[in-house]
Amino acid sequence: GDSVTQTEGLVTLTEGLPVMLNCTYQTIYSNPFLFWYVHYLNESPRLLLKSSTDNKRTEHQGFHATLHKSSSSFHLQKSSAQLSDSALYYCALRNSGTYQRFGTGTKLQVVP
Amino acid sequence: DMKVTQMPRYLIKRMGENVLLECGQDMSHETMYWYRQDPGLGLQLIYISYDVDSNSEGDIPKGYRVSRKKREHFSLILDSAKTNQTSVYFCASSLGGRSYEQYFGPGTRLTVL
Repeated sequence: GDSVTQTEGLVTLTEGLPVMLNCTYQTIYSNPFLFWYVHYLNESPRLLLKSSTDNKRTEHQGFHATLHKSSSSFHLQKSSAQLSDSALYYCALRNSGTYQRFGTGTKLQVVP
Repeated sequence: DMKVTQMPRYLIKRMGENVLLECGQDMSHETMYWYRQDPGLGLQLIYISYDVDSNSEGDIPKGYRVSRKKREHFSLILDSAKTNQTSVYFCASSLGGRSYEQYFGPGTRLTVL
């Protein structure tokens, strides 16, 4: 079945350094949609960005990700981490099936 | 304003008691979901509802049941709660197509003693 892998449970970064959160997926479907959700403490999880076509970069709020079907990846990146980026980040996969499948999440801690 | 609401926000129950978690949305979304969130396990889907009285099991349905009698309202029921059901529960809703995002509620923190 479908699966999403987020290898890092916790990423700790110094403010100003680049962010890269890994997301890989497995599906037999040829045209999946991939999503990144962000969950700030004491708030509801919300969509950060979603995939476009293969090898096309999508951006939102300073974050960007590119769907690479060749490597089944949709890594989340940002050029310079801010303290306010500290949150839990989920990668999710939706194919022709019935619902999105979430990864286990990566907690990003940005420190001064 | 597009919104998903959940009640109650915090709940403490004793093992064996029944639990009712309620979720509402004002976006006329067909599809609604119940998840539980546990450290290291992420968001696990309990049940999905495609519309009124059209519900399907997710990945971890054991010990839970749901009810959807109106499109805007989706309930999660725990009959005889267990301590391992202590968790944070999130409700979400979305339009039916696969490219559509999910909108989440604020969560209910349930503690079963």
